[in-house]
Amino acid sequence: QVQLQESGPGLVKPSETLSLTCIVSRHSISGPYYWGWIRQPPGKGLEWIGSIYHTGNTYYSPSLRSRLTISVDTSNNEFSLKLSSVTAADTAIYFCARDSSDGTDYYPDYWGQGTLVTVSS
Amino acid sequence: SYELTQPPSVSVSPGQTARITCSGDALPKKYSYWYQQKSGQAPVLLIFEDTKRPSGIPERFSASSSGTMATLTISGAQVEDEADYYCYSTDSNILHRVFGGGTRLTVL
Repeated sequence: QVQLQESGPGLVKPSETLSLTCIVSRHSISGPYYWGWIRQPPGKGLEWIGSIYHTGNTYYSPSLRSRLTISVDTSNNEFSLKLSSVTAADTAIYFCARDSSDGTDYYPDYWGQGTLVTVSS
Repeated sequence: SYELTQPPSVSVSPGQTARITCSGDALPKKYSYWYQQKSGQAPVLLIFEDTKRPSGIPERFSASSSGTMATLTISGAQVEDEADYYCYSTDSNILHRVFGGGTRLTVL
């Protein structure tokens, strides 16, 4: 079954850009799925960030859209997240996930283990 | 922005039935999904498209959806079912994909 693994710095300074990559294995990223990011501040609930199709089509959370870029690299079977101008409020566990379709909408079905990113000077 | 509302906590004794609700204005037209997250782990998909169970999910987990409310039912809850449970759905605008605030289930 599909496996996802997040990678990237665990510490980012305020006002800088948070960058993470999700490596997908045992599954082609070019299949009929979206690939997404979800985050979870310590001790809090889940927040959907955004998703991307292998063609590059994206959906972003309205609350993060102005700072967010999600991209896909089909040759390396991975996708990435960039969140600019970070503050302490962006400190969270970041999960990547595969999004399956119910015919009209998408939902995460397989998740990576998550990676903690702390925003601090 | 669209919101899904869950109770913060539910508590049952082992063997009892636990019910966790999720309310949202778009649920009459949109599917609901349920995730289980145990401490320190990634969420796991429990229920998709309102009522369907992925392979490997025990039969004691079931769900329903009626009107603006979806309900996750755990029949004969076990101590190992202690976890946070999240509902998920979208509103009429696919841009608004949201999780509920989560419900902590205690089985003791």
